[in-house]
Amino acid sequence: NAGVTQTPKFRILKIGQSMTLQCTQDMNHNYMYWYRQDPGMGLKLIYYSVGAGITDKGEVPNGYNVSRSTTEDFPLRLELAAPSQTSVYFCASSFEGANNQPQHFGDGTRLSIL
Amino acid sequence: LAKTTQPISMDSYEGQEVNITCSHNNIATNDYITWYQQFPSQGPRFIIQGYKTKVTNEVASLFIPADRKSSTLSLPRVSLSDTAVYYCLVGEGRAGNMLTFGGGTRLMVKP
Repeated sequence: NAGVTQTPKFRILKIGQSMTLQCTQDMNHNYMYWYRQDPGMGLKLIYYSVGAGITDKGEVPNGYNVSRSTTEDFPLRLELAAPSQTSVYFCASSFEGANNQPQHFGDGTRLSIL
Repeated sequence: LAKTTQPISMDSYEGQEVNITCSHNNIATNDYITWYQQFPSQGPRFIIQGYKTKVTNEVASLFIPADRKSSTLSLPRVSLSDTAVYYCLVGEGRAGNMLTFGGGTRLMVKP
């Protein structure tokens, strides 16, 4: 049982490039989340999904897009990378809404935009 | 919004009990209080969750007063490996999907 798997672990992008951060979970969780964490700061919610085909914006969605075509996968897309998007990105999942169900986190993707 | 307020940092010594208090004045009726632990270069890890009174598991206890406007995470007999950032979370109340992590409390355990 792998839990939440994120790829890649590290990536350097040039300004204006695009990329997709991959996230997959094997726990059959309905809810999935993307957070970003800037150095020395807490996590900020980017997007979340309550099930396949359903996504919604979090606190800081600008510059990102998501899709949820399957229960297992929740990729995060950066279309035009900007230096302000340099951060560590965490994907998480939970069985039901995270209000009363623990979230399980991946190990993160460290992204630098130069 | 059910925001949380925690101390920025705390120091302790090995073997001591550590209590970290979180304020959440606007907690909603259906919200649970959840604490996570995060080590450097890792994702947060669930520690404990509660709704009211006291909850205890193998690693921590959570104390919640009757008005639920605050909560205290208690770590008994900490060790060096408990050095981490601890986050208190309360649901935003919109179907429990929006959570605010805040800055957390950086706990440093010294020998």
